[in-house]
Amino acid sequence: KNQVEQSPQSLIILEGKNCTLQCNYTVSPFSNLRWYKQDTGRGPVSLTIMTFSENTKSNRRYTATLDADTKQSSLHITASQLSDSASYICVVSGGKAAGNKLTFGGGTRVLVKP
Amino acid sequence: SQTIHQWPATLVQPVGSPLSLECTVEGTSNPNLYWYRQAAGRGLQLLFYSVGIGQISSEVPQNLSASRPQDRQFILSSKKLLLSDSGFYLCAWSVLGGHNSPLHFGNGTRLTVT
Repeated sequence: KNQVEQSPQSLIILEGKNCTLQCNYTVSPFSNLRWYKQDTGRGPVSLTIMTFSENTKSNRRYTATLDADTKQSSLHITASQLSDSASYICVVSGGKAAGNKLTFGGGTRVLVKP
Repeated sequence: SQTIHQWPATLVQPVGSPLSLECTVEGTSNPNLYWYRQAAGRGLQLLFYSVGIGQISSEVPQNLSASRPQDRQFILSSKKLLLSDSGFYLCAWSVLGGHNSPLHFGNGTRLTVT
């Protein structure tokens, strides 16, 4: 069964500190892995999309890594800001071979405190 | 630039009443359109998707239906709401055929069935 597991479920960090979120998946076939940021009461917003051949990708203070062999990804937030408080969702796409089906993780809720 | 509008933002409806949620996309043509439901702490669940006018695919059997009367309009409906229909409903679009393209989400509708 295709699954995307995220850890931790939630975390609290102090403003200015770094943190790393984890995503493990068992989706097959694999086309790409996406990270989304979802503010409370809003729709998710795309942060990165990584294909099989990409190991790391950055978007401002967010850096995503992908190890397609171990089926693991991480999202690193550098120098956190209060506006980083949100849920971060990992999504894996099976691509055309899987009818472009997306499997969503349950998200990691991040709270940045001053 | 492309924008997606979803309304209403919140809705409280009694059991047995009808439902109509509307979603429109601007600035793009022939998008893939999606309806998702998000339960607290769980991954997004795909309800319906559409690749063109009048073309609707349903992912899970349920009390809801969807329609696409125009290229950039997607409607989620129910004839009689159940308590279990409560949740956060998200509309999204993506580039037609773009399996490496991100989903662009609306800001969601919080539906409470009482």
